Amino acid sequence: DTAVSQTPKYLVTQMGNDKSIKCEQNLGHDTMYWYKQDSKKFLKIMFSYNNKELIINETVPNRFSPKSPDKAHLNLHINSLELGDSAVYFCASSPRRSRGRSEKLFFGSGTQLSVL
Amino acid sequence: RKEVEQDPGPFNVPEGATVAFNCTYSNSASQSFFWYRQDCRKEPKLLMSVYSSGNEDGRFTAQLNRASQYISLLIRDSKLSDSATYLCVVNLDSTGRRALTFGSGTRLQVQP
Repeated sequence: DTAVSQTPKYLVTQMGNDKSIKCEQNLGHDTMYWYKQDSKKFLKIMFSYNNKELIINETVPNRFSPKSPDKAHLNLHINSLELGDSAVYFCASSPRRSRGRSEKLFFGSGTQLSVL
Repeated sequence: RKEVEQDPGPFNVPEGATVAFNCTYSNSASQSFFWYRQDCRKEPKLLMSVYSSGNEDGRFTAQLNRASQYISLLIRDSKLSDSATYLCVVNLDSTGRRALTFGSGTRLQVQP
């Protein structure tokens, strides 16, 4: 069974559309993340949730709204898609975070988003 | 200055060679350090954590130099399968409010 699974794997859409990417982890982890990897391969944190609570929001436009219905799921909804949103979006999870320390990340296989 | 900085490469080395990558980080209070590996069009995967005293895992050795704020990765006896991008990853703060920060990666190409 895949530990962190995200769907869809590929997403091609027009500017202005609204789309969602789903992520689920079966590792029993408390913390989940969304990372964005742009064309220059730079991987940047977008959001982090710990046990359904938003703990990190790295100055991402309001068009991006994460939703965590339970600690095993973290979905990403994007409104009014723009050309610059084209990237690979990775979901990840990690075990419980303790203050000042980070546990290793387990990544999903990524969603390639192309906005035309 | 970037928060986590790496030489993008590519490093082109023959099979069997020893190759080393360095990575510098901006915050001296950083506590957690890792090397991840990312193959083309795949997700990053943890290669190894980096401990203060340095650590080894088979052909891979990781070192941490807190005084100079850099970590290194040494790969001995390179294999073709080592070809990938190696990502330096740091927890830049101690408050727990920030996620791991990734460097932009160093690309390694091992040639036959």
